[in-house]
Amino acid sequence: AQKITQTQPGMFVQEKEAVTLDCTYDTSDQSYGLFWYKQPSSGEMIFLIYQGSYDEQNATEGRYSLNFQKARKSANLVISASQLGDSAMYFCAMREDTGRRALTFGSGTRLQVQP
Amino acid sequence: EAGVVQSPRYKIIEKKQPVAFWCNPISGHNTLYWYRQNLGQGPELLIRYENEEAVDDSQLPKDRFSAERLKGVDSTLKIQPAELGDSAVYLCASSLDLLRLSETQYFGPGTRLLVL
Repeated sequence: AQKITQTQPGMFVQEKEAVTLDCTYDTSDQSYGLFWYKQPSSGEMIFLIYQGSYDEQNATEGRYSLNFQKARKSANLVISASQLGDSAMYFCAMREDTGRRALTFGSGTRLQVQP
Repeated sequence: EAGVVQSPRYKIIEKKQPVAFWCNPISGHNTLYWYRQNLGQGPELLIRYENEEAVDDSQLPKDRFSAERLKGVDSTLKIQPAELGDSAVYLCASSLDLLRLSETQYFGPGTRLLVL
């Protein structure tokens, strides 16, 4: 079963507007971590934000925030005030506290910011 | 601080040829990962090292893939012989301490392999 699901292959947003990228996950672990990475065309995966399963507050990092809804098993990334440089692939990933403890990635969402 | 370094950035080979990728992690990072990213997909772990020990290689196709991290610093991933289906981006990542669930993995720019 797929552990990370990103249902939006592509998204468009106007510059300066906010955008939400969806991510749902599946795990039986009580302790896990959720990550978002950005991958520009250069290929490097850039860490954006982290949310732990026991964190009570939604994570924020500058213009990035994570809308964590544990009961729904969703961890959506919100980018506020989009910039042209935000155009990239965005990947949601999870690490479980048991087993391999490796990052499991979703298939990604391509975001294009339009001027 | 220098990031994760990988070389080469691009490689084109014919099928059945060997190929090797090199990775130098961030200084002081004990954990090193090799991922494969197929077109249109997220990265998938091939192997994870703790220092020089391969602690998770369950997804590494051992009939043709091999990896080493002899001194616990840089690492080499080899494919011999390469097949058409090996065309992908090979990403190396490193992290300081895997024990923390929140530990961030830092990725290199990847090696884009095309097998003809």
